[in-house]
This record gives sequence, structure tokens and C-alpha cells, in this order.
Amino acid sequence: SAVISQKPSRDICQRGTSLTIQCQVDSQVTMMFWYRQQPGQSLTLIATANQGSEATYESGFVIDKFPISRPNLTFSTLTVSNMSPEDSSIYLCSVTSGGDNEQFFGPGTRLTVL
Amino acid sequence: QKEVEQNSGPLSVPEGAIASLNCTYSDRGSQSFFWYRQYSGKSPELIMSIYSNGDKEDGRFTAQLNKASQYVSLLIRDSQPSDSATYLCAVNKQSGYSTLTFGKGTMLLVSP
Repeated sequence: SAVISQKPSRDICQRGTSLTIQCQVDSQVTMMFWYRQQPGQSLTLIATANQGSEATYESGFVIDKFPISRPNLTFSTLTVSNMSPEDSSIYLCSVTSGGDNEQFFGPGTRLTVL
Repeated sequence: QKEVEQNSGPLSVPEGAIASLNCTYSDRGSQSFFWYRQYSGKSPELIMSIYSNGDKEDGRFTAQLNKASQYVSLLIRDSQPSDSATYLCAVNKQSGYSTLTFGKGTMLLVSP
């Protein structure tokens, strides 16, 4: 399976600021996704990152708060904008490749907002 | 009704026993089912996928799917302390590409 890296691995930020998280894959992949995992909770899908077009957001998530880019088939970014302590979470990217629906996850970015 | 339901546990089993993890889902149109293992502080790791009714075996792991009952399970034979983790059940949405809905996970504790 593809090797997925995320930057940064963790960060501590002040409220009102923004953080951009990068997801890099070592091979071209079909789909890329962004998830959030709040403390003690399961994964919640934020959006599907579409190559060359606007991301598809899930209910409860909006582009102004979580702008996403996917300029090519191996890279995507998620920005968490105007952060509040409620945004403290682990943010994960995942990918699928080929015809399978199997998703593989990056190592995650642990974000703490003070 | 929650879309994907799992017993949060913890499920405690002794080393060498069979651990049985269960998951129910609400969307009858779901076609793909996955089990992920997540160690504390780590990201989820895919361990099994199943698409057809019946059993699918991979080493010590067996996934079981019953679409009529909207039920999927994971059996872990000869459980080891290293199997102690949270196990997440994921189901694809009927609409969309490959979007998954995750259960809250079951914590498994295997005691030596």
C-alpha cells in the first residue's frame, strides 16, 4: 500500500489563528479524504479532496472553516481556520487507490488549540 | 439510530482465547465493510475488508458478514497481548465514492 506522510505531526496553536496540514503520498492515488478524531471519539469525515476541483464537504463542515486543496494525485492540504479550542483534535488524511474501497491512513496531525 | 454501532467495551479476554467483536449498521445499501485496529496514539490500520456474505479468513482474523441482519463481526483467534487496541468497524455509504462511516470502536484488552 501507499506510504502516506503528514506534516506537521503535532502543533500547539493560539485561538484565532490558522494551521495548514499537508498530506503527501508516495504514489498516485484515486481518492484522498480528511478526517477528524476528537479525543476519545471515532473518526468523522470532513471532506473528500477532489483533484483539480473543490472538495466535497460532509454535513457540518464548511469550506470557509476547512479549506482543502488537492493540486495533484499525490498531495493535499487541509487548513483549519480561525481556530478555537473545540478544534483540538487529531486530523487524518486517508487514501484509496485502484478499484478497491480500502482506505489507508496517514499518521495524523495532533492539534491543540489554546 | 446510529449509522454504525459497536459496543465500546472494554472487552477483556485472556491470552490465547478467541475475541469476538461485533458491529451493526443501519444503511441496507452498504456494500463494503472494514475492520481497523487503532493503537493508542496511532492512526487506524486496516486489518480486514469484506464485501460478501459469509466468512473471510486472514491468519488469526476472521471477518463475518450478514447483510440480511446488517451485522458484521471480527473474530481474533489465539489472542495476544499485542492485539490490545481499539477496533473500529467502518461501512461505506450508499452514495458517494468511497466515503466511510465509522463506529466508535471497541476496546480490546488481552491479558497475559
